[in-house]
Amino acid sequence: QSALTQEASVSGTVGQTVTLSCTGNSNNIGRYVVGWYQQISHGTPKTVMFGNSLPSGIPDRFSGSKSGTTASLTISGLQPEDEADYYCSTWDYSLDAGVFGGGTKLTVL
Amino acid sequence: EVHLVESGGELVQPGGSLRLACAASGFTFNNHFMDWVRQAPGRGLEWVGRSRNRDHGYTTQCAASVKGRFTISRDDSKNSVYLQMNSLKIEDTAIYYCARVSGIPGERFFENWGQGTLVTVSS
Repeated sequence: QSALTQEASVSGTVGQTVTLSCTGNSNNIGRYVVGWYQQISHGTPKTVMFGNSLPSGIPDRFSGSKSGTTASLTISGLQPEDEADYYCSTWDYSLDAGVFGGGTKLTVL
Repeated sequence: EVHLVESGGELVQPGGSLRLACAASGFTFNNHFMDWVRQAPGRGLEWVGRSRNRDHGYTTQCAASVKGRFTISRDDSKNSVYLQMNSLKIEDTAIYYCARVSGIPGERFFENWGQGTLVTVSS
């Protein structure tokens, strides 16, 4: 059981906008910035968002937001290369440990 | 360019020990926390532990699932972080990634990842 809850799967068509969510509590998402990590075909994870900031090289089709204890990653103008597993992560104050969500498998139809 | 290269993964028997290393380059190593993250076959990412830098007393933290068995250390002179794994269990089988932690307090995140090293625990 992951400390952060993500949808198991989300799908969208090319050009569509999709939003992935990550729900935690006041000890983690409610307190700290959330990072989002893309993993294509079980390869090396890649950072695509932290808070609402884009790492260099990540297209601005990706955006992040947070409301209370839920963080979101929105991908607009969905592209075939966006098909991947996406994980959210942050720190947990009460566990005094890093935590991940279970991951969302994004399928581009 | 930032490079993180893990090494040391191999097949080991249950109850055995292994030491993983992560060699870093392309950034000022001693300014950063360094974390270990693992991924068991067919599973999601799992945080393993953290090595804080000198400004934070070189303190370390480990996940409850490995506490008492795994130890994290670093050598700033070698730009390296290590994961000493003892009393290995079959469920420790995973790809182990090291990750550079960036950001300010409350806004830390994994900025870079290594390619991972595979640890297989099996008799």
